[in-house]
Amino acid sequence: DVKVTQSSRYLVKRTGEKVFLECVQDMDHENMFWYRQDPGLGLRLIYFSYDVKMKEKGDIPEGYSVSREKKERFSLILESASTNQTSMYLCASTLALDGGAVDTQYFGPGTRLTVL
Amino acid sequence: DAKTTQPPSMDCAEGRAANLPCNHSTISGNEYVYWYRQIHSQGPQYIIHGLKNNETNEMASLIITEDRKSSTLILPHATLRDTAVYYCIVRIYGGSQGNLIFGKGTKLSVKP
Repeated sequence: DVKVTQSSRYLVKRTGEKVFLECVQDMDHENMFWYRQDPGLGLRLIYFSYDVKMKEKGDIPEGYSVSREKKERFSLILESASTNQTSMYLCASTLALDGGAVDTQYFGPGTRLTVL
Repeated sequence: DAKTTQPPSMDCAEGRAANLPCNHSTISGNEYVYWYRQIHSQGPQYIIHGLKNNETNEMASLIITEDRKSSTLILPHATLRDTAVYYCIVRIYGGSQGNLIFGKGTKLSVKP
C-alpha cells in the first residue's frame, strides 16, 4: 500500500510565525501535491512538484512556498502565517504520467492548522 | 466548478449494498470517472476509476451507463467503516498535474 505521511495531524501557530508542513511518501512517486481544504470550497491546489527541485504553482500559491530536495519529501512553508491560512492541509502523491501509469492521487491524513 | 452532480446524503443498512449515483452529463470523450471518499478528519482515499466499461476492484464496483452521462458506485456489503463523504470526479486521464476538483459529494451513513 502507498503510504503518504504528514508530520503533524494538528498544529496551532501564531500570526507571523513561519510554519513548515512536511509530507513523505514511500512509493517512489514522482509527483507530489499540496492542497488545502476548506468548508464549502473543496480542495484547492497550492503547489505541486513533478521532480526533485521542481515546483509549479497551483491555484492559490500566495503566502506559501515549497521545497522538494528529495524525491520522497515535499515541504509546504508558510512564510508568515496569517489567520486566513487556518485550514486542513492535504498532501498527495502519484506516479509519473508517462508509460500509461494511472495518475491516481494518494493522500496523506491531513494537517489541521490553526493560526491564532 | 465540479462537473458532477450527486445527492447530498444517503443512508444504507450495514451489510447491504450501497449504490451511489453520479450525473456527469457534460463528460467529454477523453474524461475518466474517478471516485474518492473522505472519512471524517482524514485525507481523501481513492476508490476506483473507469472510462466506459464497468470496473471492479477489492473496494467497489463502478457501473457507467452506455452514454457515459451517469455512473453508480456500488459498495457490495457496506460496513460502518464505509461511512464517509463520497466524491465523483471527471477528469482527463493524466491531464493537469493536479487540481482534483471535488464537488460537495454524497454523505453516506451506514447504520447498524
